[in-house]
Amino acid sequence: EAAVTQSPRNKVTVTGGNVTLSCRQTNSHNYMYWYRQDTGHGLRLIHYSYGAGNLQIGDVPDGYKATRTTQEDFFLLLELASPSQTSLYFCASSDPSSGNTLYFGEGSRLIVV
Amino acid sequence: AQKVTQTQTSISVVEKTTVTMDCVYETRDSSYFLFWYKQTASGEIVFLIRQDSYKKENATVGHYSLNFQKPKSSIGLIITATQIEDSAVYFCAMREGYQGGRALIFGTGTTVSVSP
Repeated sequence: EAAVTQSPRNKVTVTGGNVTLSCRQTNSHNYMYWYRQDTGHGLRLIHYSYGAGNLQIGDVPDGYKATRTTQEDFFLLLELASPSQTSLYFCASSDPSSGNTLYFGEGSRLIVV
Repeated sequence: AQKVTQTQTSISVVEKTTVTMDCVYETRDSSYFLFWYKQTASGEIVFLIRQDSYKKENATVGHYSLNFQKPKSSIGLIITATQIEDSAVYFCAMREGYQGGRALIFGTGTTVSVSP
């Protein structure tokens, strides 16, 4: 069974604060993704990666940085958090060997006050 | 640019009946892949079913099936014999087949409520 684990599951921070969301996958997948989910917008792609050290820009990258340190670990960084970044964040992994089907983590809820 | 549109925001059905939800997509690629995902009340997002653009046969998995109408750029999801646990948000997604990117683009979702 595919496994993608996110932490923290819930986070509250203040405007201007620094937040790191972590994602680890044990699927041996090459591709990893960060999405945000907001009411009325569905899932929107922030950043993604083809492998360790690689980073690709998604559709809503402003205000976010990401880093892929290993094949397993993908981090999303908010260096100056703003209330507009209050959202539910999902990490996912995929690989051609699995038909490029995305396997999602449990989600991380971030509130910026 | 690719785009996925789900116009139905919510659908209510009675248990054991069939529900159909729509999805249209835009792409300039001749090769692409279409997916449906389900998000449960707990927030978990799970893969349901997939259609490859080059396949003419509609995909079927369990009580999920697809209505793939390529000329209309449409990929509908059909759930037969619905159960209470089918109540969820259903997302349509697409991946273009070009080598440069493998990310999925999602629609905004359709909420399905199944009542007894």
